[in-house]
Amino acid sequence: NAGVTQTPKFRVLKTGQSMTLLCAQDMNHEYMYWYRQDPGMGLRLIHYSVGEGTTAKGEVPDGYNVSRLKKQNFLLGLESAAPSQTSVYFCASTDGGEADTQYFGPGTRLTVL
Amino acid sequence: GQNIDQPTEMTATEGAIVQINCTYQTSGFNGLFWYQQHAGEAPTFLSYNVLDGLEEKGRFSSFLSRSKGYSYLLLKELQMKDSASYLCAVEDSNYQLIWGAGTKLIIKP
Repeated sequence: NAGVTQTPKFRVLKTGQSMTLLCAQDMNHEYMYWYRQDPGMGLRLIHYSVGEGTTAKGEVPDGYNVSRLKKQNFLLGLESAAPSQTSVYFCASTDGGEADTQYFGPGTRLTVL
Repeated sequence: GQNIDQPTEMTATEGAIVQINCTYQTSGFNGLFWYQQHAGEAPTFLSYNVLDGLEEKGRFSSFLSRSKGYSYLLLKELQMKDSASYLCAVEDSNYQLIWGAGTKLIIKP
């Protein structure tokens, strides 16, 4: 099992460019999440999904869109990147059972110039 | 608002014991998690508490007091590989995790 994988690992964008971050999990988990992690702050939830075809907004959704067309994949899109979106992005998944442990991907380090 | 507080940084000596505290104020409570995150890596699950008391798992233990909105992570027999950030997170009434900023633990020989 690969667990949770993310692509790409690193990316540099110019302001106004767009990109898509891909998250894939092979654990048959129902729930998937996108977080951003910034220095001195806790992980902040961007969007999440409770199942294939469903998405919902988290704490900081502005400037991002998501899609969950297949159960194993959760895509995060930036339509017009801004320097404030420079961050490390983590994807996580869980089966929603007791203890609800989230399993994280390795992260994508994004810099917007 | 919702808030998780933990110390920014702590230093301890190899072989010693360290306690990392976490206090929380959240809308609802469905459990408290501790995660470990090495620099440049993803968070990994350490422990889960939903009832008051101490949960022990090898060198690591986690304590919860729901009435006080307080938890701590206890690390015994510290090893150099324990140098990492330790993240406290609370699952709120919407079953979403609210995260603290993390405590960076530095282990000295």
